[in-house]
Amino acid sequence: GAVVSQHPSWVICKSGTSVKIECRSLDFQATTMFWYRQFPKQSLMLMATSNEGSKATYEQGVEKDKFLINHASLTLSTLTVTSAHPEDSSFYICSARDYHFNNEQFFGPGTRLTVL
Amino acid sequence: KQEVTQIPAALSVPEGENLVLNCSFTDSAIYNLQWFRQDPGKGLTSLLLIQSSQREQTSGRLNASLDKSSGRSTLYIAASQPGDSATYLCAVWDGNYGQNFVFGPGTRLSVLP
Repeated sequence: GAVVSQHPSWVICKSGTSVKIECRSLDFQATTMFWYRQFPKQSLMLMATSNEGSKATYEQGVEKDKFLINHASLTLSTLTVTSAHPEDSSFYICSARDYHFNNEQFFGPGTRLTVL
Repeated sequence: KQEVTQIPAALSVPEGENLVLNCSFTDSAIYNLQWFRQDPGKGLTSLLLIQSSQREQTSGRLNASLDKSSGRSTLYIAASQPGDSATYLCAVWDGNYGQNFVFGPGTRLSVLP
């Protein structure tokens, strides 16, 4: 199957700083990518849909100025957590759908963010 | 609005048993259904994808079936192993490009040696 990578796999930062997480589709082009966060022992929560070349679509309750999404190319989407606070600590996962491979969706390995 | 449920929420079985995980969805107008596994602290691994026109898919010891009209899918795991221990999620997609899945809450499986 196709591969989606994320970088970094984990990051620790101080409160008030910004953190950028990259999501890449390695062997296919993805016009749409999805960003999720997951708290311990809970299911995935969709944060936003990232559209190549246009603005992201955010789910209700997700602050777009806090979680900046940029999908500048068909293989890269970035999520920037701005002015991070301890409550932003979570597991962030991205996914992408391969429209040329039966529309199967593939997930990245996730990024563990810890804000001190 | 599509809703997906999974039964059971948790399951613990001895090694070697065959087991069935269930997934139900309320709106039968789906394009495909995908089964994933998630290990603790990891991303999701795609296990099987079933198109709406298909009845089942098989991969190794895994077999997934789909009854679209009744809104049900099952994941059958044969000869379970401790390495199968994980959370299993099903998700349905309505074929609307740019739209995401609707996920079930998952079944947490423990296979005891």
